[in-house]
Amino acid sequence: GEDVEQSLFLSVREGDSSVINCTYTDSSSTYLYWYKQEPGAGLQLLTYIFSNMDMKQDQRLTVLLNKKDKHLSLRIADTQTGDSAIYFCAASGGSYIPTFGRGTSLIVHP
Amino acid sequence: DAGVIQSPRHEVTEMGQEVTLRCKPISGHNSLFWYRQTMMRGLELLIYFNNNVPIDDSGMPEDRFSAKMPNASFSTLKIQPSEPRDSAVYFCASSKEGATPYEQYFGPGTRLTVT
Repeated sequence: GEDVEQSLFLSVREGDSSVINCTYTDSSSTYLYWYKQEPGAGLQLLTYIFSNMDMKQDQRLTVLLNKKDKHLSLRIADTQTGDSAIYFCAASGGSYIPTFGRGTSLIVHP
Repeated sequence: DAGVIQSPRHEVTEMGQEVTLRCKPISGHNSLFWYRQTMMRGLELLIYFNNNVPIDDSGMPEDRFSAKMPNASFSTLKIQPSEPRDSAVYFCASSKEGATPYEQYFGPGTRLTVT
């Protein structure tokens, strides 16, 4: 089955860019997702990219997809303290049910 | 819409007791998922239903766990008997089959502590 890996922690300074990386194993994955979990809350879809795209930009968020390497990244420009959260990478293929990574805790310090 | 509703939000119980977690999915969604989140294991899919029918329960840790979905607007996850290692945050999520992209809507979770 699909396996999704991501680093557990990332610490950045306020105003800097954050880059969260993710790798997945199933080359037939059609949708790649980024979910955000704020403290004490459930996961919420942040953005997604279809497998025929290389890049997607949405305001401060940029998603890059390298299908050859099965690598996905999420860049947050001008990171703010409100961006502190856990970010989950997820991939789905034919079964449409996404497989989630373990989540990356983003810590933003002044 | 009110979103996915879970109750209770917090549950503290003693080892050996029965625990029932409840979930109301978003109206019109026909898939429902139960997840467990711990520091050690991250987010684990326990079971999911499609049109009220359990499709995959391979993530249910053992026979002490059971889940039901008697109708489209209600599901329960029961642990009997509970053990300290069941302490975790349990999330319910719902989605609409065939939606593009396939987005899961998560409830706020139930934090379970078994002492």
